[in-house]
Amino acid sequence: SQQGEEDPQALSIQEGENATMNCSYKTSINNLQWYRQNSGRGLVHLILIRSNEREKHSGRLRVTLDTSKKSSSLLITASRAADTASYFCATDNQGGKLIFGQGTELSVKP
Amino acid sequence: EAGVAQSPRYKIIEKRQSVAFWCNPISGHATLYWYQQILGQGPKLLIQFQNNGVVDDSQLPKDRFSAERLKGVDSTLKIQPAKLEDSAVYLCASSSGTPSYNEQFFGPGTRLTVL
Repeated sequence: SQQGEEDPQALSIQEGENATMNCSYKTSINNLQWYRQNSGRGLVHLILIRSNEREKHSGRLRVTLDTSKKSSSLLITASRAADTASYFCATDNQGGKLIFGQGTELSVKP
Repeated sequence: EAGVAQSPRYKIIEKRQSVAFWCNPISGHATLYWYQQILGQGPKLLIQFQNNGVVDDSQLPKDRFSAERLKGVDSTLKIQPAKLEDSAVYLCASSSGTPSYNEQFFGPGTRLTVL
């Protein structure tokens, strides 16, 4: 069963703009992770945020987590054409089992 | 460091045939996962191994799917007999299994088409 629900399902922006994707989930978690998937390729881990953390940065990525609202957001600043991909949030409830959302398809136009 | 290897990359079969996928995880990674990703959806965990023991196979359709991980390294996932709805990308992932930090490293996947 899918736990995370991403919003929006698709997002189209111009190069240089910021992209924000949201993820909501249903049950308590140990951590929440974001992955990127380029067309026809495997998933790449982007960032992990633990349940006791509220915000985390990695390069042009910023992730926030609000456990009271059971939601997370991924912000990509100064987007590039190479950021075009599908982005998935995944929750780790326990034991390392990840439950993925449906994903947000991001298109960055040069 | 070599990544997770999978083969074949593509497979086309007729329904009711059998098929097998192979995965070689990152060296030293104790935990291995098989996911099914249907077009337009996120990956769904089929089975999780810790070394050569099964940790979670609650979403594996055991009437047709089987998986094994001999010697705690390579793994194979088999479908017999295949159905049309098995058309998907099958992803293998591995992790070191460090508690509370479970970054998973994914292979390129095997795209299965069942006709």
